[in-house]
Amino acid sequence: AQKVTQAQTEISVVEKEDVTLDCVYETRDTTYYLFWYKQPPSGELVFLIRRNSFDEQNEISGRYSWNFQKSTSSFNFTITASQVVDSAVYFCALSEVSGNTGKLIFGQGTTLQVKP
Amino acid sequence: DTAVSQTPKYLVTQMGNDKSIKCEQNLGHDTMYWYKQDSKKFLKIMFSYNNKELIINETVPNRFSPKSPDKAHLNLHINSLELGDSAVYFCASSRLPSTNYGYTFGSGTRLTVV
Repeated sequence: AQKVTQAQTEISVVEKEDVTLDCVYETRDTTYYLFWYKQPPSGELVFLIRRNSFDEQNEISGRYSWNFQKSTSSFNFTITASQVVDSAVYFCALSEVSGNTGKLIFGQGTTLQVKP
Repeated sequence: DTAVSQTPKYLVTQMGNDKSIKCEQNLGHDTMYWYKQDSKKFLKIMFSYNNKELIINETVPNRFSPKSPDKAHLNLHINSLELGDSAVYFCASSRLPSTNYGYTFGSGTRLTVV
């Protein structure tokens, strides 16, 4: 069965610290996509990244970076030099290609609090 | 210009009432979804429609009935509202295979049942 686990419920850091949000997934499919979304206090879901199962290259976008490791079924997200505006709930999600339903399976979310 | 718009943004209603949430997308996507986010922030899919045809129906009480009059609209009607229905409901759309094209979410409807 498909499952996404974000073991860290809440993380609190001080501004400028680096922080890594963990995501572990389970799937029987060989082809799947992984996502990260940010939900700031205003409540909307903001898309951050999509990665397919065949592309294990790490990705960097500004202060954000993602480490995808199929061997450990993990897709971790690191924020470098965190800022107060990074405070939000972050969700990791999985979508399988088989069945073609477009269903997204979300992890439980990690609440990140960045203190000034 | 809003890509996926939901109305209303906030909805406060009494137990036992019937209410509807509307969703419209102007992206030309062929698939629309309803997700529920509970008080613990957990997001779970409820329904999905592809070209007006129901393709996902998770274990949702019969009191919830989605309706898709056309590809651009997916409404959610809830009968006999209960306290436990209080949540944020997100509409989303995509083009299948959505894994290739990604998803666009609406800004959510916060439903409070009192």
